[in-house]
Amino acid sequence: QVHLVESGGGVVQPGRSLRLSCAASGFTFSAYGLHWVRQAPGKGLEWVAVIWYDGSRDHYADSVKGRFTISRDNSRSTVYLQMNSLTAEDTAVYYCVLAAAASNFDGWGQGTLVTVAS
Amino acid sequence: QTVVTQEPSFSVSPGGTVTLTCGLSSGSVSTTYYPSWYQQIPGQAPHTLIYNTNTRSSGVPDRFSGSILGNKAALTITGAQADDESDYYCVLYMGDGIWMFGGGTKLTVL
Repeated sequence: QVHLVESGGGVVQPGRSLRLSCAASGFTFSAYGLHWVRQAPGKGLEWVAVIWYDGSRDHYADSVKGRFTISRDNSRSTVYLQMNSLTAEDTAVYYCVLAAAASNFDGWGQGTLVTVAS
Repeated sequence: QTVVTQEPSFSVSPGGTVTLTCGLSSGSVSTTYYPSWYQQIPGQAPHTLIYNTNTRSSGVPDRFSGSILGNKAALTITGAQADDESDYYCVLYMGDGIWMFGGGTKLTVL
């Protein structure tokens, strides 16, 4: 059973950086891509980034391109999201999601809340 | 910038049928967008209902079905139940490693 646990959220000042982690278990981590998806308070879901199963490719939403970097460590079954130059618009719950076949966002963590405020 | 569109809200009577749609601000949705649908109960993480246009996720009752209707992806709920009252999101694969969620539909069962 897919189990994803996000961590690293918290309160951070505008312009600062934060790194989120997502520890995975219950599946062959190195065989799957992983997404980050976020949800601002009271708002809808927003796709943020994806990384290929082997880390060879990564892609980003325009809203975070150039500021956020997704990476993974297959030896630790962990995916990361490095977030730089944070603004209030980045305040959200950040979910780690398994990228299953046929574009299925299959298996969501419980999310970690990032609040950008002075 | 293309936007994925969903009805902001919808209501259905218990036992009734409702179809939620997922479109594009410019262009038509087809199977090549691999539309998928997610249910989110407030305060919880989303979970998959339908992926690859019309494949039900494991454990999802057959009251939920996916399709392409005209130029949009569609999620149809037949025999609506009280616990179907949730937020529903679609997501489309836009190509080049990019996905895009719709704004979500808040479904009320009353």
